[in-house]
Amino acid sequence: QSVLTQPPSVSAAPGQKVTISCSGSSSNIGNNYVSWYQHLPGTTPKLLIYENNKRPSGIPDRFSGSKSGTSVTLGITGLQTGDEADYYCGVWDNSLSAGVFGGGTKLTVL
Amino acid sequence: VQLVESGGGLVKPGGSLRLSCAASGFTFSYYNMNWVRQAPGKGLEWVSSISGSGIYFYYADSVRGRFTISRDNAKNSFYLQMNSLRAEDTAVYYCAREADSEEFDYWGQGTLVTVSS
Repeated sequence: QSVLTQPPSVSAAPGQKVTISCSGSSSNIGNNYVSWYQHLPGTTPKLLIYENNKRPSGIPDRFSGSKSGTSVTLGITGLQTGDEADYYCGVWDNSLSAGVFGGGTKLTVL
Repeated sequence: VQLVESGGGLVKPGGSLRLSCAASGFTFSYYNMNWVRQAPGKGLEWVSSISGSGIYFYYADSVRGRFTISRDNAKNSFYLQMNSLRAEDTAVYYCAREADSEEFDYWGQGTLVTVSS
């Protein structure tokens, strides 16, 4: 069981919007910055969001992040078939003194 | 920025393997570095991290006592010594650079470790 809880899968039609949630606790999300990663099979994970809601250069503004208490949310608008991937939240856990990832969410663009 | 892993392969249960990650394109000693793995059909799992100076290091519970992380800033490289390997250690191992806010901004291409008799 992951320390961070994500839905196993989400789906939406091309052009639509989807949100992916990531729930944790005060020892991780509640007191640290969260990042989000996109991982397509056979490729290297890619940083999408850092510091809860900031996008690295080159990441389109279709991707957004937000945080409330001990939960964070990744939003993707204008869905494209190329967005089909696994998405992971990640954060440092102060109690574990370890990095942790959510279990991952598989996005299907129908 | 480039990170290149090496050292993966097939090893028997109980055996050892040493992974390397060669870094280039940035001032290596300024950054904490991490190992992250993905077992077949599973999600990403953080494994270990080491500070830029090499003084501080951390491990996931699943590998503590069996794996050792180290670095050589003169060679712009860091390592993961894996001992007492188990079948459940089978995974693609990625090295990743940790940026200022603890995000992993650059990743290597991954190296496959298979533990099987």
